[in-house]
Amino acid sequence: DTAVSQTPKYLVTQMGNDKSIKCEQNLGHDTMYWYKQDSKKFLKIMFSYNNKELIINETVPNRFSPKSPDKAHLNLHINSLELGDSAVYFCASSQGLFNYGYTFGSGTRLTVV
Amino acid sequence: DQQVKQNSPSLSVQEGRISILNCDYTNSMFDYFLWYKKYPAEGPTFLISISSIKDKNEDGRFTVFLNKSAKHLSLHIVPSQPGDSAVYFCAASVSRSQGNLIFGKGTKLSVKP
Repeated sequence: DTAVSQTPKYLVTQMGNDKSIKCEQNLGHDTMYWYKQDSKKFLKIMFSYNNKELIINETVPNRFSPKSPDKAHLNLHINSLELGDSAVYFCASSQGLFNYGYTFGSGTRLTVV
Repeated sequence: DQQVKQNSPSLSVQEGRISILNCDYTNSMFDYFLWYKKYPAEGPTFLISISSIKDKNEDGRFTVFLNKSAKHLSLHIVPSQPGDSAVYFCAASVSRSQGNLIFGKGTKLSVKP
């Protein structure tokens, strides 16, 4: 029973398309995150939500829009995809804002061609 | 500007010996440090953490050491096992920063039988 699940695992799409990545956690956590791992392997935070409220919104193009319909879900929608968006996107969750024992999903590898 | 640096991209160790993974940081405001372990095609898994009020934290075969004056931390794995082969990420945060973990680039550990 996967604690943090992301779909799809792989996503190949053309430039200019709009795509979504879904994330669900069944741990009862109240905080969820999106991290991006770029080609240089850095893991960088993009967004965090606590109880469906946006807490962190790092310098991310506004083509990226997170949506949290409830505490167990945090989806990421990307408009007008660009080549530079190719990366692995990780969803994570934790209980509380200051609990750093994040549980990560297995990642979504996005390739824009 | 890399605030968390893992200068060794890879490390190879013989089974049964000690593995030492190093991490340096530049932001003196960081007061909480973590190590994550990542297998291919999986998300990072929380391994061990340490608060800046301590200089050592131990959990089974894993020990993290923190040297605040040198802005340096290390992860010791004793004894190393082939199953420890993975990428290890060092991460740091300011504890009241609402969950924004800053990650290093990771060190790939290979434990040879």
